Amino acid sequence: QLQLQESGPGLVKPSETLSLTCSVSGGSISSSNYYWAWIRQPPGKGLEWIGSLYYSGSTYYNPSLKSRVTISLRTSENQFSLKVSYVTAADTAVYFCARVFKATDYLDYWGQGTLVTVSS
Amino acid sequence: QSALTQPRSVSGSPGQSVTISCTGTSSDVGGYNYVSWYQQHPGKAPKLMIYDVTKRPSGVPDRFSGSKSGNTASLTVSGLQAEDEADYYCCSYVADYTVIFGGGTKLTVL
Repeated sequence: QLQLQESGPGLVKPSETLSLTCSVSGGSISSSNYYWAWIRQPPGKGLEWIGSLYYSGSTYYNPSLKSRVTISLRTSENQFSLKVSYVTAADTAVYFCARVFKATDYLDYWGQGTLVTVSS
Repeated sequence: QSALTQPRSVSGSPGQSVTISCTGTSSDVGGYNYVSWYQQHPGKAPKLMIYDVTKRPSGVPDRFSGSKSGNTASLTVSGLQAEDEADYYCCSYVADYTVIFGGGTKLTVL
């Protein structure tokens, strides 16, 4: 059974960089049939796709966040990571990582999510 | 890239059926049969309920069904049960390795 687990600081100061890691167990992050995504959900609001990563290292970002977001692969550790720079209160959200079936783009496994609060 | 349009809320009594719509454009929902639906209970991660417009993952009750017409996809929940009360999100492919979500619909079981 595949499992994904987000980890990282729960509190980040404004203008600093938010850094999260998604650890994948029960399956390989190097599978060609899937890609990996970060999604966030501000308190009381809907889901927002942040960006995606394929095992080749290719990345794709939400245009509204592209200038501040970096997603990268740690193949040897079966992990992928998210960095969001110059954060503001608007970046406060629950951050989820997920696996996406490449052929038809559905998210079949999700992490439990981690709340990141931006506050001084 | 605007979110897909969903009604803010729908409701129904136990045993009834409800349908949640998800409207996009010919560049997303209307252009591909790659629409999926997710159920989210408070404080939990979203759970895949429908993929490829009409398919159900193993373990999802057949009370949940999906369809699409033009630029609008729909999720129907038949024989409503108390545990179906949750938020529901649609999702569509828009480009390589890129998806877009709907704004979410709160389903209330009266």
